[in-house]
Amino acid sequence: DAKTTQPTSMDCAEGRAANLPCNHSTISGNEYVYWYRQIHSQGPQYIIHGLKNNETNEMASLIITEDRKSSTLILPHATLRDTAVYYCIAETYGGSQGNLIFGKGTKLSVKP
Amino acid sequence: DAGITQSPRHKVTETGTPVTLRCHQTENHRYMYWYRQDPGHGLRLIHYSYGVKDTDKGEVSDGYSVSRSKTEDFLLTLESATSSQTSVYFCAISGQTYNEQFFGPGTRLTVL
Repeated sequence: DAKTTQPTSMDCAEGRAANLPCNHSTISGNEYVYWYRQIHSQGPQYIIHGLKNNETNEMASLIITEDRKSSTLILPHATLRDTAVYYCIAETYGGSQGNLIFGKGTKLSVKP
Repeated sequence: DAGITQSPRHKVTETGTPVTLRCHQTENHRYMYWYRQDPGHGLRLIHYSYGVKDTDKGEVSDGYSVSRSKTEDFLLTLESATSSQTSVYFCAISGQTYNEQFFGPGTRLTVL
């Protein structure tokens, strides 16, 4: 599985876009990029995933560079409720029977 | 939200006693997982199930056993609890796509 690297923490002003980077320079061609978040003391929540095209859903957008060595999760209008730890995971689709390696993630603090 | 419940939500027990945690789903998903989360270690997979009576070990399975006699229930048993098993335990489920997992609210277990 490819290793991902994320900043330890980030701040974002409420109402502004939050851009969370993730490096996955050793990602292989069949590995997807998944994003989850964990709000304090709750279970992790799936956000989005992608292979090489940019993806958007009701929660966020995922931008993957053309060489697939990095990606950015974008929360377009961050709210206080988006304060959480965000995990970037590289994993083959259906690989390892779902054994996701969560790592330490980025602690995003959205401030009023 | 996916229909996942965990019971109990909190438990305090003594070293050497058996403990069983229950995960119940109403989504009829095939895959179920047990993770533990500890400071400094993130989420780690204990055991998972890919169908009724079909289970396998995860990264940190020593000291734990599981059973799945019905699609909707996945039980995690600590045969003889130790203080090192004090943790927050999360159950997760997924359907056709292993890596889109939906997590339960967690069980906080304290072993004295």
